[in-house]
Amino acid sequence: DIQMTQSPASLSASLGETVSIECLASVGISNDLAWYQQKSGKSPQLLIYAASRLQDGVPSRFTGSGSGTRYSLKISGMQPEDEADYFCQQGYTYPVTFGSGTKLEIK
Amino acid sequence: EVRLVESGGGLVQPGRSLKLSCAASGFTFSDSYMAWVRQAPTKGLEWVASISNSGTTTYYRDSVRGRFFISRDNAESALYLQMDSLRSEDTATYYCTRVGTRYGFDYWGQGVMVTVSS
Repeated sequence: DIQMTQSPASLSASLGETVSIECLASVGISNDLAWYQQKSGKSPQLLIYAASRLQDGVPSRFTGSGSGTRYSLKISGMQPEDEADYFCQQGYTYPVTFGSGTKLEIK
Repeated sequence: EVRLVESGGGLVQPGRSLKLSCAASGFTFSDSYMAWVRQAPTKGLEWVASISNSGTTTYYRDSVRGRFFISRDNAESALYLQMDSLRSEDTATYYCTRVGTRYGFDYWGQGVMVTVSS
């Protein structure tokens, strides 16, 4: 199985600050990488797919980048509504696997 | 508007069975791969199973293979998950999802809770 190592596990940011979350795959996944946001008590929402493509309706302050085994999600200008859990996920091969998540809070 | 609505969850004893359903609308169901993803209380996300658009091909995580069975009815725009020989570690919220481009799950239901306990 492909292991997705996500870091950091938790993060605290001030409003307007730029934050980054990293995901390291145990093997190359050819940009088959998605990022999700999950607010408390809600279903996950797709933010980014194919490593860098923004899902329709997602604010442009969310950007994805990376290649091979290393990927990152950047939030440019933290907003109150960005407080949530974030997960990466590889869809390169079965079993589909997720990162362990990052809890992002407002400082 | 895309909608995925799960049903069928509840409290069940270990070793018993449960069948989850997902009613889909707002997109061409028969064109889409579908999947179930679960989340144990206060834990992360875990892929469970996927099914091709025609229903002829299925995929499972090792821990559920042989106990869980994913199926679909394209005429009814419905997705199912038959769960047999349930274990305490299957306790989770189960989400019905649509598989989008490059295997991102682009739509999610509200989730249904399954609790396996005596």
